[in-house]
Amino acid sequence: GNSVTQMEGPVTLSEEAFLTINCTYTATGYPSLFWYVQYPGEGLQLLLKATKADDKGSNKGFEATYRKETTSFHLEKGSVQVSDSAVYFCALTGTSYDKVIFGPGTSLSVIP
Amino acid sequence: NAGVTQTPKFQVLKTGQSMTLQCAQDMNHNSMYWYRQDPGMGLRLIYYSASEGTTDKGEVPNGYNVSRLNKREFSLRLESAAPSQTSVYFCASREDYNTGELFFGEGSRLTVL
Repeated sequence: GNSVTQMEGPVTLSEEAFLTINCTYTATGYPSLFWYVQYPGEGLQLLLKATKADDKGSNKGFEATYRKETTSFHLEKGSVQVSDSAVYFCALTGTSYDKVIFGPGTSLSVIP
Repeated sequence: NAGVTQTPKFQVLKTGQSMTLQCAQDMNHNSMYWYRQDPGMGLRLIYYSASEGTTDKGEVPNGYNVSRLNKREFSLRLESAAPSQTSVYFCASREDYNTGELFFGEGSRLTVL
């Protein structure tokens, strides 16, 4: 079936460090891929998305590239800030199924 | 824009009591969803409504019922609350059932004693 795997963390980084959160997926057809972010005490909000192979989504300094050959959508940021501390969820959806499939989430803490 | 609005934000129940979580969206979306979030369990889909007039079970529907009251509103009912239903509940919506991003409410924290 369709699924999303991501590193669960927690991940702790110092401010200005480089961030990578790995995400791989299994899906039929040609899914759209998403990264959602959940700040403490809030709901999830879309961080970035990509709808076809080789697309790069970007927002707030974060980037992820849709790699069909490796079925991956890794999240990266060159220099994290304390305000990036949150839980990050990788997710997919597709035209052949009516749900959004979420990964388990990765908790990120950035320390000054 | 309000987006997705959930009420109440906090609720404490005793075992066996009933309650309804309300959700409304003002984006004219066709599809609506109820998730629960528990520590270490990620997001789990309880029920969803792909379009007005339809509802379907998700991963963890037992102990819950839903009503798609109209295109805007999708409520989640606990008929006889149990401590295992202590969780944070999120409502979400999106334009269509099989494309696009989800828009989430701020969550409802429910404690069952």
